[in-house]
Amino acid sequence: EVQLLESGGGLVQPGGSLRLSCAASGFTFSSYAMSWVRQVPGKGLEWVSGISGGGSTYYADSVKGRFTASRDNSKNTLYVEMNSLRAEDTAVYYCAKAFSYGGAYWYFDLWGRGTLVTVSS
Amino acid sequence: IQLTQSPSSLSASVGDRVTITCRASQGISSYLAWYQQKPGKAPKLLIYAASTLQSEVPSRFSGSGSGTDFTLTVSSLQPEDFATYYCQQLNSYPLTFGGGTKVEIK
Repeated sequence: EVQLLESGGGLVQPGGSLRLSCAASGFTFSSYAMSWVRQVPGKGLEWVSGISGGGSTYYADSVKGRFTASRDNSKNTLYVEMNSLRAEDTAVYYCAKAFSYGGAYWYFDLWGRGTLVTVSS
Repeated sequence: IQLTQSPSSLSASVGDRVTITCRASQGISSYLAWYQQKPGKAPKLLIYAASTLQSEVPSRFSGSGSGTDFTLTVSSLQPEDFATYYCQQLNSYPLTFGGGTKVEIK
């Protein structure tokens, strides 16, 4: 079955760290770029980071320098290491598989169910 | 690049034709996608490259536009279409989403 499954969310204090994982199955993981997208409950979507199949990374300004995306193609797993967490990082974090078309590389055709990160003291 | 969706919400009846607009703060060619999200669920890709229907998405959904102005149209609204819709631009980093349009039952 083609799916993405996030894990690692939870409650963390401001200034703390957390690592999220996203296990992929049912497709050739190494061939696709992947992204993290977050959503504050009841609010809109915010792109957080992206990583190409070869490991090039891209970040939103709001997380640059604090979040680090990585992938292990041998384990079919995407990660994001989140440091110096702030209350405004509280959100559901989705991982998403991207495909390219017509010169654009970040159409998201497969999403996980999400994992909730709560930053609070 | 900022994406402004309008309206932010609308009420419609089953069978209605519904149009949602997404305006980009600068030209993005056709590098735009539309997603549908239902409560408690992940977004689902409907349209990519502004007007290409994603596989297995019903043909009542269509997209148009290029440059700065885009539209998503549902030709005949069905009960399962009541959801929130988002546009997304892929022209440049950071990737951005519109604020969303919630389609509610009248």
